[in-house]
Amino acid sequence: DAKTTQPPSMDCAEGRAANLPCNHSTISGNEYVYWYRQIHSQGPQYIIHGLKNNETNEMASLIITEDRKSSTLILPHATLRDTAVYYCIVRGNNNNDMRFGAGTRLTVKP
Amino acid sequence: DAGVTQSPTHLIKTRGQHVTLRCSPISGHKSVSWYQQVLGQGPQFIFQYYEKEERGRGNFPDRFSARQFPNYSSELNVNALLLGDSALYLCASSLLGDGGSPLHFGNGTRLTVT
Repeated sequence: DAKTTQPPSMDCAEGRAANLPCNHSTISGNEYVYWYRQIHSQGPQYIIHGLKNNETNEMASLIITEDRKSSTLILPHATLRDTAVYYCIVRGNNNNDMRFGAGTRLTVKP
Repeated sequence: DAGVTQSPTHLIKTRGQHVTLRCSPISGHKSVSWYQQVLGQGPQFIFQYYEKEERGRGNFPDRFSARQFPNYSSELNVNALLLGDSALYLCASSLLGDGGSPLHFGNGTRLTVT
């Protein structure tokens, strides 16, 4: 699976959009981009995933660049409860191993 | 709908002992995966099962084993516990076993080995 690079930490003001970047320059054509988040002492929570097209659900939007070498997770109106570690993961269709890196620690501030 | 449930939530064992962790997937999900998360690190893949067959194994010693039952629930067994096995053990289920099926995680079993 391709590796991902994320900033170790980010801050965001409450009510503003949080834009979390992820680089995955070695991604293959059949690999998905997944985003999870983990709040202390809980299991990772699935947020969103995509292959080539941008995706949106009730939690977030996923913007994937045309060359698929990077993506951005957007939380449109961050709240204090969005404070968590966010993981960007590249996952192959036949590979069942989702490799979690260190993630980005997002802190939403009042 | 119930999410992935794991039991027990916390466990304390002594070095050399054996432990069994249990996981019930989301109803209708046929694939179960196990992960180990050491404090301060991201989860690491241990096993994946789909339709009761092992589909993948991570870089863990043979002391770690697992199985999936006909009702799709799963057990993770660890023999000859070491201090380094202290971690949060996470179970995740997915509808299918392919890359397009999101994994949904439980809140884990916190294992402490003394």
